Amino acid sequence: GENVEQHPSTLSVQEGDSAVIKCTYSDSASNYFPWYKQELGKGPQLIIDIRSNVGEKKDQRIAVTLNKTAKHFSLHITETQPEDSAVYFCAAFMFSGGYNKLIFGAGTRLAVHP
Amino acid sequence: KAGVTQTPRYLIKTRGQQVTLSCSPISGHRSVSWYQQTPGQGLQFLFEYFSETQRNKGNFPGRFSGRQFSNSRSEMNVSTLELGDSALYLCASSPSDSLGGEQYFGPGTRLTVT
Repeated sequence: GENVEQHPSTLSVQEGDSAVIKCTYSDSASNYFPWYKQELGKGPQLIIDIRSNVGEKKDQRIAVTLNKTAKHFSLHITETQPEDSAVYFCAAFMFSGGYNKLIFGAGTRLAVHP
Repeated sequence: KAGVTQTPRYLIKTRGQQVTLSCSPISGHRSVSWYQQTPGQGLQFLFEYFSETQRNKGNFPGRFSGRQFSNSRSEMNVSTLELGDSALYLCASSPSDSLGGEQYFGPGTRLTVT
C-alpha cells in the first residue's frame, strides 16, 4: 500500500550542529521526493526536492540524498540556526488506487537551541 | 508573483452544515490540489484538478467534492459536516502540466466543526 515512514518524530539539536531526517517509501515506482518545512500558522513550504534519476542534491545548508534500491531518502541540514526550528515533512509521489498522489510522512519536529 | 491564497482563513461550522473553501493558485499554475491536515492523520491528499477536470483523488468519502474554474481558481465543498472534519485544509498549486511536479501550498483554511 501507499506509505511513507519518517523518523525521528522529534529532533533537538544545538545551534551549529547538523540535523538528519530519514524517510522510507513503499512504492518502488515513486520518482519524485519533495521536502517541506511548516512553521506555526503557515502552510508547508517546499525547501528542496529530488527526482529518481539523481542521488543527491544540495542547496546551501540543505541537502537531500536518495537511495532507490533501499527505497529511502534523507534530509540533511548543516550549521543549524534557530530559524530552522519547524516541522519538516517528506513526501513521495505514488500511483495508488488508480490515481497519482503525493503521500506525506508524519513529520519531524525540529528544535534548534541557541 | 503572489503566492497561493485561500479564503476564508478561519471558519466555524455546526455538524450537519456544509462549507465551501476557496483557493486561488499562483498565476500560470493550472494544477490545484487539496489536502486535509490533522494532528492524528497528518497531511492527506483529497483531490487534484487540472484544466477544470478532476485528475486524481484520494480516499475521502463523497461528502468531499471540488471544482475548478476556467481561471484555475478552485473550490472544495464538504457537505453534512462531522466533528472529525475539523482540520486545516490546504490548497497547493503546481506549474507542471505533467504529474509529479513541485507543489506550492497556501496558508490553509482552519475549519472547526462544533
